[in-house]
Amino acid sequence: DAGITQSPRHKVTETGTPVTLRCHQTENHRYMYWYRQDPGHGLRLIHYSYGVKDTDKGEVSDGYSVSRSKTEDFLLTLESATSSQTSVYFCAISNTDRGDNQPQHFGDGTRLSIL
Amino acid sequence: RKEVEQDPGPFNVPEGATVAFNCTYSNSASQSFFWYRQDCRKEPKLLMSVYSSGNEDGRFTAQLNRASQYISLLIRDSKLSDSATYLCVVNAFSSNTGKLIFGQGTTLQVKP
Repeated sequence: DAGITQSPRHKVTETGTPVTLRCHQTENHRYMYWYRQDPGHGLRLIHYSYGVKDTDKGEVSDGYSVSRSKTEDFLLTLESATSSQTSVYFCAISNTDRGDNQPQHFGDGTRLSIL
Repeated sequence: RKEVEQDPGPFNVPEGATVAFNCTYSNSASQSFFWYRQDCRKEPKLLMSVYSSGNEDGRFTAQLNRASQYISLLIRDSKLSDSATYLCVVNAFSSNTGKLIFGQGTTLQVKP
């Protein structure tokens, strides 16, 4: 299995609080991605990173920010959590430097509940 | 039209059956295709890549039809452990970002 660790695995918090999710990889891959998965919507890309300090928005980026200060860590922050951000969050990595036809490999996910 | 469309199922089949899933994609410029498997409350895991010539991995066969823009997955001799959601995945044709588009998945339930 790809060396991807997400933390925390579960979190319950209140509306309006800031939340940071961490993704840590040991594969030295340049590309990292954050997704959310909700019933009826499948996996949707929030943000992705193509290198240290290089990030870009996905299709559902509103209300989320990211940071990548080291190759191995990609942080997802909810500045002021809302109930609509209750979801399962997955981090993924890919070795896209080898070509655009590389699959992504996923972490175990973080189950986030905003009350 | 969704970029990647799959029949959500569920497909309920007996052990030993052969089952096929199809998936259509909208961007004719897509170059990379995959099938992922996702168990309940788990992360998606790569099942197999899909190559133009078709490819097989044990009981699993993947086919690509570029002209009709669809991808198929055939599972032979179904096992109880094959019960899962199968995600059809296509690369988002962009400047080498590695972005993928995921279908919503087809649920398979294999029964004894």
